Amino acid sequence: DTEVTQTPKHLVMGMTNKKSLKCEQHMGHRAMYWYKQKAKKPPELMFVYSYEKLSINESVPSRFSPECPNSSLLNLHLHALQPEDSALYLCASSQNRGRTEAFFGQGTRLTVV
Amino acid sequence: AQSVTQLDSHVSVSEGTPVLLRCNYSSSYSPSLFWYVQHPNKGLQLLLKYTSAATLVKGINGFEAEFKKSETSFHLTKPSAHMSDAAEYFCVVSTLTGGGNKLTFGTGTQLKVEL
Repeated sequence: DTEVTQTPKHLVMGMTNKKSLKCEQHMGHRAMYWYKQKAKKPPELMFVYSYEKLSINESVPSRFSPECPNSSLLNLHLHALQPEDSALYLCASSQNRGRTEAFFGQGTRLTVV
Repeated sequence: AQSVTQLDSHVSVSEGTPVLLRCNYSSSYSPSLFWYVQHPNKGLQLLLKYTSAATLVKGINGFEAEFKKSETSFHLTKPSAHMSDAAEYFCVVSTLTGGGNKLTFGTGTQLKVEL
């Protein structure tokens, strides 16, 4: 099983809403990632959980809050987002040794209105 | 520091003709390099990877890439394009850090396949 599952596939939320994106993998990977991708651009790394320890891209605003309940699950909590946060949010996972590839989910298309 | 440069933002080919997507990398040590494909509103799918074994790497859907250290290149090729190959392609280099594998993406190449 080389699948990373993301839910929901699509999300529309208002600027005052609180929502969460979910990601799950069963490949035994110990590193999981959140990326943000704007149209016609490569993905930008937001957060990394490696052995359930968090590394943050300092440019990510605090209205995005990651959570790693266990090594298979990764959530991204969203609060008070802005329209410019509308994007495709991608979850990925990888082995945590060597310079190995990452496996990506299908993404959540987020629209902030 | 690691970086990748994708030399063409758009490539257009006719169905049945060869595909060449160019990628150059910069790395202070032997890199791990990957090509990913992304269809519209989808996630990224791994096409192939180079991790210091054979320099000619075969991937899925008939794609292959050759690692050339002397030219610092990792170009992606396919002998005969199919309509379903139309997508965005990313060349990626991987670095192992204390925070896991860091993937550095090229800016992407949009492949268009015409009848």
